[in-house]
Amino acid sequence: DVKVTQSSRYLVKRTGEKVFLECVQDMDHENMFWYRQDPGLGLRLIYFSYDVKMKEKGDIPEGYSVSREKKERFSLILESASTNQTSMYLCASSYHRGPNVMPYFGPGTRLTVT
Amino acid sequence: QKEVEQNSGPLSVPEGAIASLNCTYSDRGSQSFFWYRQYSGKSPELIMFIYSNGDKEDGRFTAQLNKASQYVSLLIRDSQPSDSATYLCAVGGAPGGGNKLTFGTGTQLKVEL
Repeated sequence: DVKVTQSSRYLVKRTGEKVFLECVQDMDHENMFWYRQDPGLGLRLIYFSYDVKMKEKGDIPEGYSVSREKKERFSLILESASTNQTSMYLCASSYHRGPNVMPYFGPGTRLTVT
Repeated sequence: QKEVEQNSGPLSVPEGAIASLNCTYSDRGSQSFFWYRQYSGKSPELIMFIYSNGDKEDGRFTAQLNKASQYVSLLIRDSQPSDSATYLCAVGGAPGGGNKLTFGTGTQLKVEL
């Protein structure tokens, strides 16, 4: 079974703090993704990576950065947390090619910025 | 802007009935289509994927794809209360590249006893 783990299920941070969200997958997937999910807005892609040290902006990258130093790990960084970044953050991973390219999601991190 | 549209619901069906969930997409180049189930407070779980026009069946679930009409649907036969969840439609490009998916906002399904 594919396993995608995220460092925290719940996180509370203060405005202006630097926040790190970690994601690890054990399937040797090339692709990794960070989404945020908000009521009425659905899942929106923040950043994705298709290889180590490679990253591409998604639809809403502003205020975020990412790091992928190892294939299995993809980190999302909020440089200076703001209240509008309060959300559910979902990491996912997938193969890059072949028939089984569907993303598998981690359990999510619910981040509250006060 | 690529868009994936779903009726937000809630869609209410009695136990044992067929639930029909629909999704339309705007990008004609889309080639991979997925259905995820999401229980409240949980992360999305993949339940079906389809790449070719027609029907694909897996147990009580059937995915239907019509690329000409840019339409994909999910049928759930013999609906159970445990099927009550939000169903997300996701659409992507060719299976060989990128794999960025665009998600709909989901349809809430309620299966009533």
